[in-house]
Amino acid sequence: EIVMTQSPATLSVSPGESATLSCRASQSIRSNLAWYQQKPGQAPRLLIYGASTRATGIPDRFSGSGSGTDFSLTISSLQSEDFAVYYCHQYNDWPPYSFGQGTTLEIK
Amino acid sequence: EVQLVESGGGLVKPGGSLRLACAASGFNFNTFSMNWVRQAPGKGLEWVSSINSRSSYIFYAESLKGRFIISRDNAKNSVFLQINNLTAEDTAVYYCVRMKPTTNAGDYWGQGTLVIVSS
Repeated sequence: EIVMTQSPATLSVSPGESATLSCRASQSIRSNLAWYQQKPGQAPRLLIYGASTRATGIPDRFSGSGSGTDFSLTISSLQSEDFAVYYCHQYNDWPPYSFGQGTTLEIK
Repeated sequence: EVQLVESGGGLVKPGGSLRLACAASGFNFNTFSMNWVRQAPGKGLEWVSSINSRSSYIFYAESLKGRFIISRDNAKNSVFLQINNLTAEDTAVYYCVRMKPTTNAGDYWGQGTLVIVSS
C-alpha cells in the first residue's frame, strides 16, 4: 500500500502571498496524483489531476508540479476563499487509493 | 450539471446495518466507475470501495472487507453501499465520488451522508 505524507500539517500565510504545500509518496506514482480542497462542512473539490493539470473551473493561481515521489501544490496571491484543508491522492497503484493526511492552510 | 446526492445515513446502534444510496444525474452514469470515500469527524479522507461501470470489478479497503458491499443499478443511475455490523469506528460522512475518465481522480463528489454509530 502506498503511503502519502503531506507537509506541513498546518501552514500560516497572509492573504496576497503564496503558499506551497508538499506531498510525498512512499514509492513512485509517476504523475498519478490529484489535489483536493475542502472547506468546512463541504465535500472535497478536485483542483489538480495528473500532478499538474487544473480541473475545470480552477483558477490559474493554483498550480501543481512533481512526479515520481515528490509533489507540490502552489497557490499564488492567496485569497480569503483559499484558506481550507488540502489533500493529495494517489491513483497510480490501487486498490487501495490513498490520501495524504491533509494540510490546513490558515490565515496568518 | 453533474449531481451526486447521497442518502440513507443516520443514527444506528452498534451491530446494526445501513444501506447508503447515491443518486446520480447530469452524466452518462453507466460509463463511469463510482467510489465511496468516508471521513470520520475531524479526520482525513479514507477510500472505502470502488465499482466499475459494469459491476465486473469491485474493490474494498482491506480493513473493511466482509462488512461493506457496494453495488449499482445503472437503470436507476444509482450506486449503493451496504454496511453491516457497524461499529463506532464507522462513524463518518460517506461521500459518493465519480472518477474522472482516463484517470482515477475524483472529479465530482456528493455532499455526503452522515452515519453515526452509537448506543
